[in-house]
Amino acid sequence: DQQVKQNSPSLSVQEGRISILNCDYTNSMFDYFLWYKKYPAEGPTFLISISSIKDKNEDGRFTVFLNKSAKHLSLHIVPSQPGDSAVYFCAASPGTYKYIFGTGTRLKVLA
Amino acid sequence: NAGVTQTPKFRVLKTGQSMTLLCAQDMNHEYMYWYRQDPGMGLRLIHYSVGEGTTAKGEVPDGYNVSRLKKQNFLLGLESAAPSQTSVYFCASSYGFLQYFGAGTRLSVL
Repeated sequence: DQQVKQNSPSLSVQEGRISILNCDYTNSMFDYFLWYKKYPAEGPTFLISISSIKDKNEDGRFTVFLNKSAKHLSLHIVPSQPGDSAVYFCAASPGTYKYIFGTGTRLKVLA
Repeated sequence: NAGVTQTPKFRVLKTGQSMTLLCAQDMNHEYMYWYRQDPGMGLRLIHYSVGEGTTAKGEVPDGYNVSRLKKQNFLLGLESAAPSQTSVYFCASSYGFLQYFGAGTRLSVL
């Protein structure tokens, strides 16, 4: 039973355009969400987070949107750069410092 | 500042052999975690620890044991390795909600 789902295994976007990565969850107790980026042969690194009391959080080129009623969050990257090519994981927690991770979306930004 | 360090980086085992993966963090974090990453499965929690001397089971604990004798170290043991344990293993530590990951250990069990 996958509580956090990333239904798109891969995504290709032209450099300079917007990348939108999606994540759906089933557990209404989740109240904190994170996005991680992972390059090959490296560990995941933190990108951006959002708590359930907000519906948007922005950090430079990265914005995360949370729609609690739809149990859906999305990561927007604008403008996309070739260095953004990586696997992106969303993760959710019910506030216990334990996270459930999605299966990841491989983003490829084409120059 | 090294952050989270995992050793070894690569290992090949034969079925039935045992080994220990070491995770060390220098950030004085209370919480530490072991995950495995398999194709199409994302990161799955094996075991975790909320402080020195404590451990708890995660989503996929079978076939693994852990110990946290010192706050900075979290060991993951495989007593009798099986091909199903071929995976990439990640250790993480956290103080609050943010987890910091090591670079991973790629383990193959033949």
